[in-house]
Amino acid sequence: SNELTQPPSVSVSPGQTASISCSGDKLGDKYVCWYQQKPGQSPVLVISQDTKRPSGIPDRFSGSNSGNTATLTISGTQAMDEADYYCQAWDSRIVAFGGGTKLTVL
Amino acid sequence: QVQLVESGGGVVQPGRSLRLSCAASGFNFRTYGMHWVRQAPGKGLEWVAVISYQGRNEYYADSVKGRFTISRDNSQNTLYLQMSSLRAEDTALYFCVKDETIEAGGGMDVWGRGTTVAVSS
Repeated sequence: SNELTQPPSVSVSPGQTASISCSGDKLGDKYVCWYQQKPGQSPVLVISQDTKRPSGIPDRFSGSNSGNTATLTISGTQAMDEADYYCQAWDSRIVAFGGGTKLTVL
Repeated sequence: QVQLVESGGGVVQPGRSLRLSCAASGFNFRTYGMHWVRQAPGKGLEWVAVISYQGRNEYYADSVKGRFTISRDNSQNTLYLQMSSLRAEDTALYFCVKDETIEAGGGMDVWGRGTTVAVSS
């Protein structure tokens, strides 16, 4: 199965650590990417190949992937990080996206 | 700068066809895989199709297989999506997206602003 499951919403206080999970069958055997999408904007790649940060992405964004779960971690969360986040993986030449998680910075 | 600009969207009746285009600039288009990804109003991202750098390999989501065709013209730095037998559920904002790799299989590191397709009678 190429279905990826994310929690619909996560809340975090400014300065704290936010963790967003993405689960799927044997997900740890695949590379996972994460995207940030703010209202009215196109998505932005924030993590590639499980753990790699593209140029220009702050180092407070990090990723991990093991077993059936990948995790996006945002350390020292800032108000500007409030957005929808999507995980994505390849499975047998098909791309799957998670349903998305709305991160609220309270 | 690296840029992807989509065009060709519009309002179309169910069962009709439409072709989307994506003009690429600022990078060596012919050396990267390319995708189409769509987003229905208020919904999440849905991958549609991918094509490898030379156009030899194409893969599709089950929801569009047999109805949509992805293609590219490397001499014109342009990506296409031919959509036929359109349905109401194809209504979405369609993004043209660059893959990090040649054959596609990496992350999607450049996104266009999208073009809107509305299927309605």
